[in-house]
Amino acid sequence: GQNIDQPTEMTATEGAIVQINCTYQTSGFNGLFWYQQHAGEAPTFLSYNVLDGLEEKGRFSSFLSRSKGYSYLLLKELQMKDSASYLCAVMDSNYQLIWGAGTKLIIKP
Amino acid sequence: SAVISQKPSRDICQRGTSLTIQCQVDSQVTMMFWYRQQPGQSLTLIATANQGSEATYESGFVIDKFPISRPNLTFSTLTVSNMSPEDSSIYLCSASGTEFNEQFFGPGTRLTVL
Repeated sequence: GQNIDQPTEMTATEGAIVQINCTYQTSGFNGLFWYQQHAGEAPTFLSYNVLDGLEEKGRFSSFLSRSKGYSYLLLKELQMKDSASYLCAVMDSNYQLIWGAGTKLIIKP
Repeated sequence: SAVISQKPSRDICQRGTSLTIQCQVDSQVTMMFWYRQQPGQSLTLIATANQGSEATYESGFVIDKFPISRPNLTFSTLTVSNMSPEDSSIYLCSASGTEFNEQFFGPGTRLTVL
């Protein structure tokens, strides 16, 4: 079966760094996505990785290891507005997104 | 990137009635999808809306309950039929282009069934 695992909830301090992990087992692989979703809002695209390595985009970076079925989202210089759910999703061989349950990130002052 | 709008943004409906949700994309896209999201949970794919042909439904979702139309490359509708309180959820329209490297979401429709 297809499976995406990520922690349910994480807590971090404003100004710090946090890493949200995602492991996956899917039928084929056409890329891994990270989305941010604030409560009551639609998901917002953060990153897409299809090759191994680190993609950096401002305060956010995403890493992928296809051999390990593993990715992480790294958030630096945390701000209170970063409090949200972070969704990991893998595009399978049929180009459909398989979604993780999301990680709720709580930022404390 | 594509900008997606949905109508209505929210609705409160009576049991047994039907509601049609509209999704409009500001550019031609290859794939359009309909998702459901229960409070505090992740997204569940209902179906892929295919242009000019019947939608492709995921396990647990059927055309009689969730008829979908996609008359062109920028517009789709999802109907929630014969609603029950269990259908109360947020319904999200999504679209992606030919590169499949980004999937955009509409703002969602918050449905409450009494």
